[in-house]
Amino acid sequence: QTVVTQEPSFSVSPGGTVTLTCGLSSGSVSPSSYPSWYQQTPGQAPRTLIYSTNTRSSGVPDRFSGSILGNKAALTITGAQADDECDYYCVLYMGSGTWVFGGGTKLTVL
Amino acid sequence: QVQLVESGGGVVQPGGSLRLSCAASGFTFSTYGMHWVRQAPGKGLEWVSFIRYDGSNKHYADSVKGRFTISRDSSKNTLYLQMNSLRAEDTAFYYCAKEGAYYMDVWGKGTTVTVS
Repeated sequence: QTVVTQEPSFSVSPGGTVTLTCGLSSGSVSPSSYPSWYQQTPGQAPRTLIYSTNTRSSGVPDRFSGSILGNKAALTITGAQADDECDYYCVLYMGSGTWVFGGGTKLTVL
Repeated sequence: QVQLVESGGGVVQPGGSLRLSCAASGFTFSTYGMHWVRQAPGKGLEWVSFIRYDGSNKHYADSVKGRFTISRDSSKNTLYLQMNSLRAEDTAFYYCAKEGAYYMDVWGKGTTVTVS
């Protein structure tokens, strides 16, 4: 069973830059996995940030960017703000009409 | 604008059944695939199921295969998730989401299912 891996937690200073990653327990993430990223604050539904590796969803500020770094997908947040403090999830398309989410990263801004 | 409203959640005993609905508006429902995604209390997101825009293909996570059935009624702009043989580990918040190009584009606010 393929596992999608994310850092359980990460910390960034206000105004700083942080890169969260999304990997596979076996193999590499490629654009054909169509990595996408979601932001979720407590008690709220997820919000789509990035899809198809690096395309920002409508209304998402350009402080958020996606890429492939090495063998992982990456979400980079520049100029971190207090309200960026929440959970971030990636999901990968596994083929045959199935997707797998990563376990999520809890981002702290302090 | 695009709106998705889930309903049908509740408390059910282990082994019981429940049917979730997701009412869609603000887009041409019949031309988009739809997902169900769930989140157990205090846990991460888990993809559950996907149905193609025309209902011709349906896909499930291994954890629900054989117990859950996804369906849609384009005349009612509604997505469904029939959940049978429910287990304690199915307790979660269930979201429906409109398909993007291999991603979840727009999310509903969710409905809660408790198996106890």
